[in-house]
Amino acid sequence: DQQVKQNSPSLSVQEGRISILNCDYTNSMFDYFLWYKKYPAEGPTFLISISSIKDKNEDGRFTVFLNKSAKHLSLHIVPSQPGDSAVYFCAASEYYSSNTGKLIFGQGTTLQVKP
Amino acid sequence: DTAVSQTPKYLVTQMGNDKSIKCEQNLGHDTMYWYKQDSKKFLKIMFSYNNKELIINETVPNRFSPKSPDKAHLNLHINSLELGDSAVYFCASSHSGVGTVATNEKLFFGSGTQLSVL
Repeated sequence: DQQVKQNSPSLSVQEGRISILNCDYTNSMFDYFLWYKKYPAEGPTFLISISSIKDKNEDGRFTVFLNKSAKHLSLHIVPSQPGDSAVYFCAASEYYSSNTGKLIFGQGTTLQVKP
Repeated sequence: DTAVSQTPKYLVTQMGNDKSIKCEQNLGHDTMYWYKQDSKKFLKIMFSYNNKELIINETVPNRFSPKSPDKAHLNLHINSLELGDSAVYFCASSHSGVGTVATNEKLFFGSGTQLSVL
């Protein structure tokens, strides 16, 4: 039973347009959510996060939205750049109750940004 | 200067062998992890150590034994390798700092070790 799911294995967008990556979760105990980016032959790198007490967090071109009632979060990248082409992992944790650093990851979405 | 380094990058071995993967971080973090990325691409936590103490031990076969000689190192030893152990293994570290929200959740990953068991 996968508690975090990214149902779109891949996404292709044109440079300059918006990229929207989606993530769904099932565990209502999750209270902290993160996005990681991964280039080939490298480990994932932290991109942006959001606490369950917020519904939006923005960092430059990256914005994460959280809809707790729908158990859904999304990552928006505007404008998309070719260098954003990578695999994006959604992750969740029970931070406020355990703070162990145990993250539950989705299976990733491969984003391709075409010049 | 690689922040989290793990060796080897590739490991090809026969079933039944014993192998180790080493991990070192120079970030001064106090928590280290092993994650496994399976064939379905999910990253799943295996173990975590905080200041050399085992904190998380997920449902992992006893053939997998982590060793943390100090807080900058976390090695993974695997006995009697099986075909199903083939995966990419990622080491990671984080800082369980007080006063900063969710620092433990911001993991720094190594580049992975691709293990192939034949």
